[in-house]
Amino acid sequence: DADVTQTPRNRITKTGKRIMLECSQTKGHDRMYWYRQDPGLGLRLIYYSFDVKDINKGEISDGYSVSRQAQAKFSLSLESAIPNQTALYFCATEGDANEQFFGPGTRLTVL
Amino acid sequence: DAKTTQPPSMDCAEGRAANLPCNHSTISGNEYVYWYRQIHSQGPQYIIHGLKNNETNEMASLIITEDRKSSTLILPHATLRDTAVYYCIVRPSNSNSGYALNFGKGTSLLVTP
Repeated sequence: DADVTQTPRNRITKTGKRIMLECSQTKGHDRMYWYRQDPGLGLRLIYYSFDVKDINKGEISDGYSVSRQAQAKFSLSLESAIPNQTALYFCATEGDANEQFFGPGTRLTVL
Repeated sequence: DAKTTQPPSMDCAEGRAANLPCNHSTISGNEYVYWYRQIHSQGPQYIIHGLKNNETNEMASLIITEDRKSSTLILPHATLRDTAVYYCIVRPSNSNSGYALNFGKGTSLLVTP
């Protein structure tokens, strides 16, 4: 079984809709991250969390919110989706040596 | 953080060793070298990291020069499934702040039959 899972894997939604992307991990790591990746571009950090009570904004947090429900779960929400949020979204955990382990990604399309 | 320079692309025959270089001439003493790869549209995958000693794991070996200004990732017996973009990143380890991985452009490795 995968250590970092993301649901859904693909999602098509309409402008203005609220959507939640979920991430679960079995690695036992405290640190978790949400990134987005656009075609031809690198990863950009949206939010990160060092434990259940710790939430930090990343480079591009506007239009997004997160919830760290438990050590194993870190959810990303788009309160009112817009087309330029169409992207590939990755969740990652971080180990003791600061190595990051990524989920398979969620491909989100906002029409 | 130190910047890295990698060749944009490389080819390797299946079964041969793939040697991917990375230049990080401005690396600081507390910075580690990390390697990741990303197969098209899949989640990036951590490969290996090191500080100054050579490292080996089940996926690859990492050779860091004595002056730490460059390193080489070695895939000893490349397979078609190793075709991916490989990223060399330099960053402090055991950092207490969140760290966004900046992959840059990496090296696109094509393994051919």
